[in-house]
Amino acid sequence: KQEVTQIPAALSVPEGENLVLNCSFTDSAIYNLQWFRQDPGKGLTSLLLIQSSQREQTSGRLNASLDKSSGRSTLYIAASQPGDSATYLCAADAGKSTFGDGTTLTVKP
Amino acid sequence: KAGVTQTPRYLIKTRGQQVTLSCSPISGHRSVSWYQQTPGQGLQFLFEYFSETQRNKGNFPGRFSGRQFSNSRSEMNVSTLELGDSALYLCASSLGGQQNEKLFFGSGTQLSVL
Repeated sequence: KQEVTQIPAALSVPEGENLVLNCSFTDSAIYNLQWFRQDPGKGLTSLLLIQSSQREQTSGRLNASLDKSSGRSTLYIAASQPGDSATYLCAADAGKSTFGDGTTLTVKP
Repeated sequence: KAGVTQTPRYLIKTRGQQVTLSCSPISGHRSVSWYQQTPGQGLQFLFEYFSETQRNKGNFPGRFSGRQFSNSRSEMNVSTLELGDSALYLCASSLGGQQNEKLFFGSGTQLSVL
C-alpha cells in the first residue's frame, strides 16, 4: 500500500527566502508525482507534474525534483512571497493518486 | 474554458439521511475521480470513473457510491449518513486516456452531518 509523507507539516518563513518542501513515498512503482497547492476551503491547483522518467520540472519560481529510487520528491520555491502562503500537497500516482497530508506554508511580509 | 464545477458548495444533513453530490468536469475530460478530505485523515481517494465505468475504487464502505453519465458528469451518493462523513468532498477531472495527466480539481462540496 502506497504511503506518502510530507515534512515539515508547517513552515513559516520571511518574504524573499528560498525554501524546500519534502515529499517521500514508499512504493517507487509510480507513473508520476504531482505537486498541488490548496488555499483554505478551496480545491487543489496543480503546480507541477513529474513523470516517472523525468528528474525535474520547472515553472516560474517553482522547481520540483523526483528521485524514484529513494522515494523522494522536493518542491523548491525561490524568492517566496506572501501570496505563496497555502498548503502544498504532493500526490504519487500508480493508477490512483495517494496524497500526503501537506505542508502549510506561511510567508510573512 | 470552464473549470471543474461542483454543486452544491455547502450541504447540511442529519444522520441517517442520504446525499447526492454533483461534479461537471472540464469540457473534453472523460475521467472523474472523487476524494474525501478531513483534518484527521487528509485527502483520501474514493473512486474514479472513465467513460461511464468505475475504473478504480478506494477503501470506503458500500454506502459511498457513484456514477458517471454519457456527458462525463458524475454524481456521488452517500447513504445512511454518519457524523464521520462530515468532510470536504472534492472531484477532479482529467482527459483520462493517458497515465501522465494533470488532475484539475473543483472547489469541493463541504458536507456537514449533524
